Amino acid sequence: AQSVTQLDSQVPVFEEAPVELRCNYSSSVSVYLFWYVQYPNQGLQLLLKYLSGSTLVKGINGFEAEFNKSQTSFHLRKPSVHISDTAEYFCAVSVTGFQKLVFGTGTRLLVSP
Amino acid sequence: DTAVSQTPKYLVTQMGNDKSIKCEQNLGHDTMYWYKQDSKKFLKIMFSYNNKELIINETVPNRFSPKSPDKAHLNLHINSLELGDSAVYFCASSLTGTGSADTQYFGPGTRLTVL
Repeated sequence: AQSVTQLDSQVPVFEEAPVELRCNYSSSVSVYLFWYVQYPNQGLQLLLKYLSGSTLVKGINGFEAEFNKSQTSFHLRKPSVHISDTAEYFCAVSVTGFQKLVFGTGTRLLVSP
Repeated sequence: DTAVSQTPKYLVTQMGNDKSIKCEQNLGHDTMYWYKQDSKKFLKIMFSYNNKELIINETVPNRFSPKSPDKAHLNLHINSLELGDSAVYFCASSLTGTGSADTQYFGPGTRLTVL
């Protein structure tokens, strides 16, 4: 079975500082990897996804993530955060051939001025 | 031009009641999903339908019954509501029936509170 671990439940950061949100996954088969963002009182929307090819994936709003197969990680980064980036961030995996997304427990990013 | 819509947005009800949540997508997608997000924000899939056919049915109590009248709609009916059913329920859709690489598009959620 697949699982996703987001070790940080909350990450406080000052505006314009860089941030990294960590995600590790466990799977014995090939997976696709996703980052979704949930703004307060809204549904989730896709930030970026890794399917194959280049391990550095660029997404919306200046976010990027790097797939590291040997470390089974898919950490999300942004070089300079804005107040508007305050949200819950979810890492998720899906197994090739199956539609089910397995989510991590989420990381709350709190950006303060 | 809402892509995935859910009604109602909020639902407050008493234990033991039966309630339904409706979901519609106008994206022309083949697959729709129901997720439950608990008070700790943990998100777990409940059901998935592809072209009106049930393809994922996680270990959900059979008090929960999804119904898909057509591929643009997926409703969730819950019988004999319990306190533990209080959560936010999200509907989602994706383009194909087999693409685990597909992006899922989420609705705004329905916050269910059982008193």
